[in-house]
Amino acid sequence: QQQVKQSPQSLIVQKGGISIINCAYENTAFDYFPWYQQFPGKGPALLIAIRPDVSEKKEGRFTISFNKSAKQFSLHIMDSQPGDSATYFCAATSSGNTPLVFGKGTRLSVIA
Amino acid sequence: DTAVSQTPKYLVTQMGNDKSIKCEQNLGHDTMYWYKQDSKKFLKIMFSYNNKELIINETVPNRFSPKSPDKAHLNLHINSLELGDSAVYFCASSHLLAGAAGELFFGEGSRLTVL
Repeated sequence: QQQVKQSPQSLIVQKGGISIINCAYENTAFDYFPWYQQFPGKGPALLIAIRPDVSEKKEGRFTISFNKSAKQFSLHIMDSQPGDSATYFCAATSSGNTPLVFGKGTRLSVIA
Repeated sequence: DTAVSQTPKYLVTQMGNDKSIKCEQNLGHDTMYWYKQDSKKFLKIMFSYNNKELIINETVPNRFSPKSPDKAHLNLHINSLELGDSAVYFCASSHLLAGAAGELFFGEGSRLTVL
């Protein structure tokens, strides 16, 4: 119930391509879905987040698509750049005293 | 100015030793966390403090003891270190509990290696 399943584990994308990372959850009480980006040797940092009252949120080249009925959400990185190479984590939580539950991460490599 | 700072950044020690990691945040947040990231990059919450009170204590061995002297500091003390404790430990803070859509701010991590 508390799990967030993330795929793929690793992803290699050509520069300029679209990177897509998917996550699925089971707990219908989850109401906040952030994505975190982590560069080597650094802590994760919030990239973009969505609430289930919208189906899509876009910030620059980063878009979250959310499908409430399927209990799935995904991160799309348009025009992927080598500087986007990092590990991406989806997460979920519900209001109240519940911690963020993280997916297992996706290591993205964008190659020129 | 570093928002969430942890010390030390690297820690190498022998099995059986006791060690501490310190964390400080200057963001004025009222909630602080310790996360453990294993070699496979999996992030797992260990503890959470809100205004110096322990509010989340996941299934963590008693050898791990957090201490929050004030709401800007959250330290982690580990007794009788084991090989399996080797990991990167991240401190984080948020203005509200993450369930209330507060953004988590992470430190840069403390890499613990137990030999």
